[in-house]
Amino acid sequence: GEKVEQHESTLSVREGDSAVINCTYTDTASSYFPWYKQEAGKGLHFVIDIRSNVDRKQSQRLIVLLDKKAKRFSLHITATQPEDSAIYFCAADNTNTGKLTFGDGTVLTVKP
Amino acid sequence: EAGVTQSPRYAVLQEGQAVSFWCDPISGHDTLYWYQQPRDQGPQLLVYFRDEAVIDNSQLPSDRFSAVRPKGTNSTLKIQSAKQGDTATYLCASSPTGGAGQLYFGEGSKLTVL
Repeated sequence: GEKVEQHESTLSVREGDSAVINCTYTDTASSYFPWYKQEAGKGLHFVIDIRSNVDRKQSQRLIVLLDKKAKRFSLHITATQPEDSAIYFCAADNTNTGKLTFGDGTVLTVKP
Repeated sequence: EAGVTQSPRYAVLQEGQAVSFWCDPISGHDTLYWYQQPRDQGPQLLVYFRDEAVIDNSQLPSDRFSAVRPKGTNSTLKIQSAKQGDTATYLCASSPTGGAGQLYFGEGSKLTVL
């Protein structure tokens, strides 16, 4: 089955800097790659996604890049703010049914 | 619009006891998922439904776990004879698009088995 590896378990940046979280996947059939944010004691909240028919997507300060050849995708958060501090999960879907395979999360800390 | 509601938020059990978790998805969402999130790990899919039908329960750990969604709305996940290894947060999510897009998660039910 699909396996998703999230490379940074923790990441600390200064407010205003950019943060980059990298993930790799194993199944070439995966075609949908969402990112979710989890704040302490809360459920997961969708932030952005990308499908395999594009290699870049931007939504305000969030940019997702997809490299299908390398089976790698990444989340870039620009101009970070303290409220961006949370756990970020990448995921992949190889069935287009919501059966997501998640990475183990990256704890992002944005220091003022 | 109300979000996905889960209860109870917390449960503490001794090994061998049973527990049920309840999920009320967003109104109109046909697809409902149960994920298990062990501490410091990502969520792992247990089972999902489209309306009242189980589409995939292949990841339910054993016959100690069961899940139902009898009217295609609310759902219950039951764990019988709980073990310490079941300690995790149980997340319910729903989708209006059969899962081909964003999932909406509840805040989870945190289970501790002593």
